[in-house]
Amino acid sequence: DTGVSQDPRHKITKRGQNVTFRCDPISEHNRLYWYRQTLGQGPEFLTYFQNEAQLEKSRLLSDRFSAERPKGSFSTLEIQRTEQGDSAMYLCASSISGAQYFGPGTRLLVL
Amino acid sequence: QKEVEQNSGPLSVPEGAIASLNCTYSDRGSQSFFWYRQYSGKSPELIMSIYSNGDKEDGRFTAQLNKASQYVSLLIRDSQPSDSATYLCAVKEDTGFQKLVFGTGTRLLVSP
Repeated sequence: DTGVSQDPRHKITKRGQNVTFRCDPISEHNRLYWYRQTLGQGPEFLTYFQNEAQLEKSRLLSDRFSAERPKGSFSTLEIQRTEQGDSAMYLCASSISGAQYFGPGTRLLVL
Repeated sequence: QKEVEQNSGPLSVPEGAIASLNCTYSDRGSQSFFWYRQYSGKSPELIMSIYSNGDKEDGRFTAQLNKASQYVSLLIRDSQPSDSATYLCAVKEDTGFQKLVFGTGTRLLVSP
């Protein structure tokens, strides 16, 4: 499968714990995006990388959230001191230009 | 706050009918428009992209764009029960930013 991959697919954690998600984009795609989606809503943009540079960051991305793409390939999204409100589907997408292609998502549940 | 508006539905159509899904957007400068299909519990899947006024056809799907009216639509011909899903409209604003702004989606139900 040469699509976007994400790991883990599901994560259950207790409030206050840190979690880290990984995204591997389509191999030739230099642009990578993170979104968050809650039930009944469309995806909300979190952050965007072009190669290894983080070029856009939403105001939704509090200081508990950090994302990296150290070598311009895979990316990680870390959430520190998780809160129940962080429960959502975290989606990664990649593109060369134009259309963005989504991975399967990581579903996070914070208890 | 730039907005993308969709009727949440559900839109119910019988099998074989044409389903018409609509979306309006607030940023007049928007240049790129996308339709995604999302099955329950799954991630969004790109169906169509459209960048200029008019119609764009791909198989049973036709996207229509009217920038003057700030309106984009998706027609699904010969609807099948497997088309039952939530359809998300997404807009890329003409701000130099790369993010997509999504509507809340329209739920489509195709009955056999």
